[in-house]
Amino acid sequence: EPEVTQTPSHQVTQMGQEVILRCVPISNHLYFYWYRQILGQKVEFLVSFYNNEISEKSEIFDDQFSVERPDGSNFTLKIRSTKLEDSAMYFCASKRGLIVIGYTFGSGTRLTVV
Amino acid sequence: QQQVKQSPQSLIVQKGGISIINCAYENTAFDYFPWYQQFPGKGPALLIAIRPDVSEKKEGRFTISFNKSAKQFSLHIMDSQPGDSATYFCAASGETSGSRLTFGEGTQLTVNP
Repeated sequence: EPEVTQTPSHQVTQMGQEVILRCVPISNHLYFYWYRQILGQKVEFLVSFYNNEISEKSEIFDDQFSVERPDGSNFTLKIRSTKLEDSAMYFCASKRGLIVIGYTFGSGTRLTVV
Repeated sequence: QQQVKQSPQSLIVQKGGISIINCAYENTAFDYFPWYQQFPGKGPALLIAIRPDVSEKKEGRFTISFNKSAKQFSLHIMDSQPGDSATYFCAASGETSGSRLTFGEGTQLTVNP
């Protein structure tokens, strides 16, 4: 079964450093997402991406965050200057079409900011 | 308006029992209600989903009951098994929210052997 692949599985970074979280969505999917889950809390939407541009973003997704699809296969989330409160699991997801059914999540990257 | 509230926070059930998890939503524009199952260290995986034109959907041991007037929906796991032990999230989405999913707080289910 096709999977959404995320790397690394765990990243530790110092406060103020830039991090890039990487995702390889399912190959024929067109819609891409980042969600995050702070430990013990619910999964929260960050951003959706379609046709090489952001289609929607949440209030969490401020100027410190950016997304990119640099080469047609990877989908990245960059946090420019990490804060302690950015520590969370970050999930990439993708789906083929506009309808919601068919979301596939990756296994996540655990980001720890120290 | 966008919130989805889920209860209970944790649930312990004996093997063979019925697990029931409840969710309530506020936004009447939501028109898709999935349930996700999450094992430790893994991403959420779609378990079952319903649209508001039906009141119940069953897939194997998993049933969603949907009450549109009350803006509530619930997941029933019949004959619960230890392998069902996981965190369950309800979610909602609709045209006005794009395709973003709004998740509930999650229920940690433990099924004792």
